[in-house]
Amino acid sequence: EAQVTQNPRYLITVTGKKLTVTCSQNMNHEYMSWYRQDPGLGLRQIYYSMNVEVTDKGDVPEGYKVSRKEKRNFPLILESPSPNQTSLYFCASSFITGDEQYFGPGTRLTVT
Amino acid sequence: TQLLEQSPQFLSIQEGENLTVYCNSSSVFSSLQWYRQEPGEGPVLLVTVVTGGEVKKLKRLTFQFGDARKDSSLHITAAQPGDTGLYLCAGARGNTPLVFGKGTRLSVIA
Repeated sequence: EAQVTQNPRYLITVTGKKLTVTCSQNMNHEYMSWYRQDPGLGLRQIYYSMNVEVTDKGDVPEGYKVSRKEKRNFPLILESPSPNQTSLYFCASSFITGDEQYFGPGTRLTVT
Repeated sequence: TQLLEQSPQFLSIQEGENLTVYCNSSSVFSSLQWYRQEPGEGPVLLVTVVTGGEVKKLKRLTFQFGDARKDSSLHITAAQPGDTGLYLCAGARGNTPLVFGKGTRLSVIA
């Protein structure tokens, strides 16, 4: 089944404790992206990757890191999480930039 | 400045009513996508419109792309509780990331 998987689905952590949210797709997509979704602010792009070893900042990259060592995986790293990073996070992928995006199920992160 | 403005932000209607939601911009897009997001899930693509003036139908949902490819509308006929969700439009402009609107949250009451 074609899908984007994210783990974990739910995470409660404390300020400053490094965490990684994994994202994997099985559709051989070149483009992958991370978004955060907050009430009243909509989906905001954090980082994206047009291909392996190529990553670019989105609209809200501060406090986040990503890597794209393999085509299928695009982990999101929070080196020192802060409460303002409490949000619902989505990973998405598509064949190419601008194409239909397939979204993962989301990761709800709470930073206390 | 939000590149894609969606209206209304919230809409609550009775089952059986018709409704239209709008996605407007001052920019031209090569295509426009509509997604629906249900609680606890990621957005799922409903349709992509590509040609100015194009109309696409998906059962009771009718999507239209403006002639100038700057705006789009989604019309739902005889809304049902299963239509409840967040409707997002997203514009594509060449080899750049999609631009998403903030969405219209629709609630259809039985």
